[in-house]
Amino acid sequence: DTGVSQDPRHKITKRGQNVTFRCDPISEHNRLYWYRQTLGQGPEFLTYFQNEAQLEKSRLLSDRFSAERPKGSFSTLEIQRTEQGDSAMYLCASSLVLGPGGGANVLTFGAGSRLTVL
Amino acid sequence: DQQVKQNSPSLSVQEGRISILNCDYTNSMFDYFLWYKKYPAEGPTFLISISSIKDKNEDGRFTVFLNKSAKHLSLHIVPSQPGDSAVYFCAASANYGGSQGNLIFGKGTKLSVKP
Repeated sequence: DTGVSQDPRHKITKRGQNVTFRCDPISEHNRLYWYRQTLGQGPEFLTYFQNEAQLEKSRLLSDRFSAERPKGSFSTLEIQRTEQGDSAMYLCASSLVLGPGGGANVLTFGAGSRLTVL
Repeated sequence: DQQVKQNSPSLSVQEGRISILNCDYTNSMFDYFLWYKKYPAEGPTFLISISSIKDKNEDGRFTVFLNKSAKHLSLHIVPSQPGDSAVYFCAASANYGGSQGNLIFGKGTKLSVKP
């Protein structure tokens, strides 16, 4: 297993365009997360899936953002009508959550997709 | 409203000495705390964790201490090595409905270990 893969690694787009990021998690993991990181900040939670169900969305996830995880495997994060404030590193992570008593929820992160909106 | 705070943006330490990175939290529902390390152009990588029922966890050169009454934890690296130079993030999660929630991260502390 090569870990969590994200594509593309870098994306430069003009304001108003749509962009889509893809994440391939570790195959044995049942949870997939999207985080956003801007300069000087830690990763900020956006949303997560358990298998194919999207269980939680942050208020940071405006209606221009949509995430999917068809068939509980890879996930896509689409940003419509991009704004300059969307410029950030978008991090995908996955984890295996075993339920009560399962210990810490250790997320394995990908290298991220850096978005620059001009 | 930051639930996880790392108040030192940077720390510089001499090789071989101890590095101490600090983290404070506000949510008493947090039951696991994790430290991640991040190199430039890479995603964060997991370093060490601690359950809220413990006050210390050790893994090689890395030890995490938890003071629940003070809502404070710290990561000790002994001895520090130049390869430890990275940004260190403190993260916490709470158990909701019997299942671990997502991680909430601090802003990070940039550690520089000088040879």
